[in-house]
Amino acid sequence: DSGVTQTPKHLITATGQRVTLRCSPRSGDLSVYWYQQSLDQGLQFLIQYYNGEERAKGNILERFSAQQFPDLHSELNLSSLELGDSALYFCASSVVPGDVTYNEQFFGPGTRLTVL
Amino acid sequence: GDSVTQMEGPVTLSEEAFLTINCTYTATGYPSLFWYVQYPGEGLQLLLKATKADDKGSNKGFEATYRKETTSFHLEKGSVQVSDSAVYFCALVGYSSASKIIFGSGTRLSIRP
Repeated sequence: DSGVTQTPKHLITATGQRVTLRCSPRSGDLSVYWYQQSLDQGLQFLIQYYNGEERAKGNILERFSAQQFPDLHSELNLSSLELGDSALYFCASSVVPGDVTYNEQFFGPGTRLTVL
Repeated sequence: GDSVTQMEGPVTLSEEAFLTINCTYTATGYPSLFWYVQYPGEGLQLLLKATKADDKGSNKGFEATYRKETTSFHLEKGSVQVSDSAVYFCALVGYSSASKIIFGSGTRLSIRP
């Protein structure tokens, strides 16, 4: 158990809908990362937050957005869902981000999103 | 940009066989290198890491050595077990990547009893 929790574990929805995925980081970790794992794209970094502020952006679609709240939990919002958004979405957390010194990221169990 | 290329799978071995999963990288500067493992139905776990050239990361019988001259970080284990069946991801965090992890495509490993 990494100490990172994600809810829900599974989510099934229809095209055009909007969903929210939730992540609670490990106690004491200030930085949260979101990753998408799909069959065709592999594991891709989406976005990073540090202490409530967006820190880095990866291959995140405009239909997707995220935020980190004062209690440090984070939510990833996916809207106007398409079939291709079906994937496993992972959250990870670390103590602080570092441009030079790497801080280990601990991954949650993921949320499996199925868009029908 | 930074990238990771790893051996395509799936790889199927018999128990107690020797394992090598190849990984090469492209990055500017001196990235940190990692192997992550994903067991069926679970999230990613850090298996081992190396943060500078010639470092050897090791854990649970797995080893990988950071080779800057060949830009490689191959994963090895001398005697695999059925419980090692999982997907293995080679990854890097680059100097300028703001801590985002860049993953390889993953290699699915199955061990036959």
